[in-house]
Amino acid sequence: GENVEQHPSTLSVQEGDSAVIKCTYSDSASNYFPWYKQELGKGPQLIIDIRSNVGEKKDQRIAVTLNKTAKHFSLHITETQPEDSAVYFCAATPYSGGGADGLTFGKGTHLIIQP
Amino acid sequence: DAEITQSPRHKITETGRQVTLACHQTWNHNNMFWYRQDLGHGLRLIHYSYGVQDTNKGEVSDGYSVSRSNTEDLPLTLESAASSQTSVYFCASSEMVGSPLHFGNGTRLTVT
Repeated sequence: GENVEQHPSTLSVQEGDSAVIKCTYSDSASNYFPWYKQELGKGPQLIIDIRSNVGEKKDQRIAVTLNKTAKHFSLHITETQPEDSAVYFCAATPYSGGGADGLTFGKGTHLIIQP
Repeated sequence: DAEITQSPRHKITETGRQVTLACHQTWNHNNMFWYRQDLGHGLRLIHYSYGVQDTNKGEVSDGYSVSRSNTEDLPLTLESAASSQTSVYFCASSEMVGSPLHFGNGTRLTVT
C-alpha cells in the first residue's frame, strides 16, 4: 500500500519568514495530494490540495508543489503569521477518485511561529 | 451552516466496557469515516461508509464496529474497550469520492 513520509516533525520559524514542509510517497499511482491544518482541540481542515496533472497550486500565502518523478510534494507558507501555528498533515491516494479509503496521511508537522 | 458534530468530546471508560461514540453530519454527505489519531502515527482509518447500509473496514478496524442506518449518523462502537484504544477519534464526511474531507472536532477517549 501507499506510504507517506513527512518532514520535519517540528518546524519553528520567525514570524514573517517562510515555512516549507515536505512529503514523499511510495505509490507512483497516487494522483491526489491534500494538505490539512489542525489547530489545538479541533479536527483537521483542508487548506489546499493538488492533483497529479499540475505541478504547482497557490492560494494567497499558501502554495503546494508536486514532483511526480521524484514522488514528493511540499507545502510552502510565506509571510508566516501567529495564526499559522498548528499541526499540518499531508496525504496521498492512488485512487482515481481520491476516495478517502485510499487516503494515507503523513505523521504531521508541528509548525511553531515565533513572534 | 452544515456541520459535523461528535459526542461526547471526552470519555473515560474501563477496560472491557462497550463504548459508542456518536457522529452526526448535516452536510447530507454519502461518505463518512472514522479515524484515530495517536502521537507518532498521524491519522489512521478505522471504518468508513459510502452510504446507508454500507460499511467497510479500514487500516485499524480490529475491536471496532460501525453501522449506517441513515445518511446523517455513523456511530463507532468499541465492543470491549482496551487500553490500546485510548486515543483521539475523529469522524469525517465527504460529498463524493474525490471531494475534500470535513472533520468533526474529535472525541478524546481514555480507557483505564
